[in-house]
Amino acid sequence: AQSVSQHNHHVILSEAASLELGCNYSYGGTVNLFWYVQYPGQHLQLLLKYFSGDPLVKGIKGFEAEFIKSKFSFNLRKPSVQWSDTAEYFCAVNEASGTYKYIFGTGTRLKVLA
Amino acid sequence: GAGVSQSPRYKVTKRGQDVALRCDPISGHVSLYWYRQALGQGPEFLTYFNYEAQQDKSGLPNDRFSAERPEGSISTLTIQRTEQRDSAMYRCASSSGSNYGYTFGSGTRLTVV
Repeated sequence: AQSVSQHNHHVILSEAASLELGCNYSYGGTVNLFWYVQYPGQHLQLLLKYFSGDPLVKGIKGFEAEFIKSKFSFNLRKPSVQWSDTAEYFCAVNEASGTYKYIFGTGTRLKVLA
Repeated sequence: GAGVSQSPRYKVTKRGQDVALRCDPISGHVSLYWYRQALGQGPEFLTYFNYEAQQDKSGLPNDRFSAERPEGSISTLTIQRTEQRDSAMYRCASSSGSNYGYTFGSGTRLTVV
């Protein structure tokens, strides 16, 4: 069965620090990959997605993620975080063969100190 | 509408009561999904509709849970005889198709006391 692991449950950074959140998945076939973000008091929003093509994906607000197929990873990065990036981040996977179910990781709570 | 709308935003109910959670998807989105998110966990799939057809209900935990989308737009998730373990955030999402990425609503926080 598919699964998604986010190893960092809580991350605390100072403003301007660089961010990398890990995401690993287990599935042998072709997948689509997503990062969602939930800001305090708001709904889950799509940050970026990978379906095919360039494995380095750029999303909103300066975030990017790199799909490394050999490592089954899709880590999220941002060179310089801001206080407003404080949020919970979820990695998700679904089979590229057209299934609709997303498998989500347990999330990473990021707190950025001003 | 402009986004996915869920109501109520918060629901507190007594154990044993039935609850109905509503989801109004983005206009024109044919696919609608329900997920449940327990505290400290990621969202877990409950059920999926394509237009009015419930294509997959494999994630519904037991027969107390049901969902419908009679006209292919608004959907209702019903939980009968609620139990404390049903307490969670219930999230609805819609999409243009299976591989276009979801748009989530704000969710309904259900607390069973």
